[in-house]
Amino acid sequence: AQSVTQPDIHITVSEGASLELRCNYSYGATPYLFWYVQSPGQGLQLLLKYFSGDTLVQGIKGFEAEFKRSQSSFNLRKPSVHWSDAAEYFCAVGPGMDSNYQLIWGAGTKLIIKP
Amino acid sequence: EAGVAQSPRYKIIEKRQSVAFWCNPISGHATLYWYQQILGQGPKLLIQFQNNGVVDDSQLPKDRFSAERLKGVDSTLKIQPAKLEDSAVYLCASSLAPGQAYEQYFGPGTRLTVT
Repeated sequence: AQSVTQPDIHITVSEGASLELRCNYSYGATPYLFWYVQSPGQGLQLLLKYFSGDTLVQGIKGFEAEFKRSQSSFNLRKPSVHWSDAAEYFCAVGPGMDSNYQLIWGAGTKLIIKP
Repeated sequence: EAGVAQSPRYKIIEKRQSVAFWCNPISGHATLYWYQQILGQGPKLLIQFQNNGVVDDSQLPKDRFSAERLKGVDSTLKIQPAKLEDSAVYLCASSLAPGQAYEQYFGPGTRLTVT
């Protein structure tokens, strides 16, 4: 069955430090891949997406993600976090037409920023 | 461009009462999704509409939940009667059409507390 795993429930990072959030998926082919961010009391905002082509994808707010087919991973990175990055981050996978273009969601990783 | 609108933002009801949520998607977006997000979990799709037709409602608890999208624009989600386990954030999202944009745009959500 298709699934998305975000192994870290919480991650604590000091302000200014680098960040990597992990995402692994289980799917037979290369799916569409997404990272969304949810700030407290807000809906989900798309950070970046991967459909095809260059495996390093740039997104908004200084985030990037790298698709690694051999590892079935799509990890999110940021070189220097800001206090405003504290939020919950969700990885999502879209198998495409076979699934009515629905998204399969990870459970999320809560990012805590230490001052 | 106006985003996805949802109301109310917060609702507190007693169990066995009924409640309704409203969503107005981005203008021109044919596909509309309702999600349930329980604290600490990723969004769970309840129902997907394409224009005013239902694409998938396999995870909608139909004995108590109902949804409609008359005229293919705004939508309402109803719960009757509510149970304690329905306490969650209900998110509405829209996308241009399956396969075209494949990006889902989310509203701020309605936080439901059932006491």
